[in-house]
Amino acid sequence: AQSVTQPDIHITVSEGASLELRCNYSYGATPYLFWYVQSPGQGLQLLLKYFSGDTLVQGIKGFEAEFKRSQSSFNLRKPSVHWSDAAEYFCAVGGHRGSTLGRLYFGRGTQLTVWP
Amino acid sequence: IAGITQAPTSQILAAGRRMTLRCTQDMRHNAMYWYRQDLGLGLRLIHYSNTAGTTGKGEVPDGYSVSRANTDDFPLTLASAVPSQTSVYFCASSEQQGVGANVLTFGAGSRLTVL
Repeated sequence: AQSVTQPDIHITVSEGASLELRCNYSYGATPYLFWYVQSPGQGLQLLLKYFSGDTLVQGIKGFEAEFKRSQSSFNLRKPSVHWSDAAEYFCAVGGHRGSTLGRLYFGRGTQLTVWP
Repeated sequence: IAGITQAPTSQILAAGRRMTLRCTQDMRHNAMYWYRQDLGLGLRLIHYSNTAGTTGKGEVPDGYSVSRANTDDFPLTLASAVPSQTSVYFCASSEQQGVGANVLTFGAGSRLTVL
């Protein structure tokens, strides 16, 4: 069965510190992987995606994520966090064929708090 | 500005009442989706439509219905609302084929409270 696990419900970091948000997935085929960000009262915005090729992908706002097939992980990183990065972050997995096309499975989210 | 418009933004509803959440997109995307977001559960797919005239069930379809009469509109109906349907509802759309089929654009959400 498809599933996404984000083990950290809430993370607090100081502004300027590095950040890593964890994501593990279970999927029966080669997955498409995504990170979305949600600011309070807003919809979800795509940060980055992995479809194939280079396992280190760059996204918007200085974020990057690394796909590790052996660990079924797709962790999100940022070298230096800004106060404006405070938001909720969702990892998602999707398929690329047949009836699974476009149907994403989301993790429960990680709430990021940034201390000034 | 191209995107997805959801209405209403927020609604309080008595249990047993009928409610339709509206969703309109102007990107000419073939595929559209309804998700509900609940604290600690992330987003769960309610219904989807790969193209006008077709719909399918997601993870949590019970108590909800959808229709797709044209490309742009994808309303979600609660025939008889219950308190467990209190949630934030997000409409999304994507291309139907290719890698773009997995890149979802989301609306701003509709917060529904059922009392």
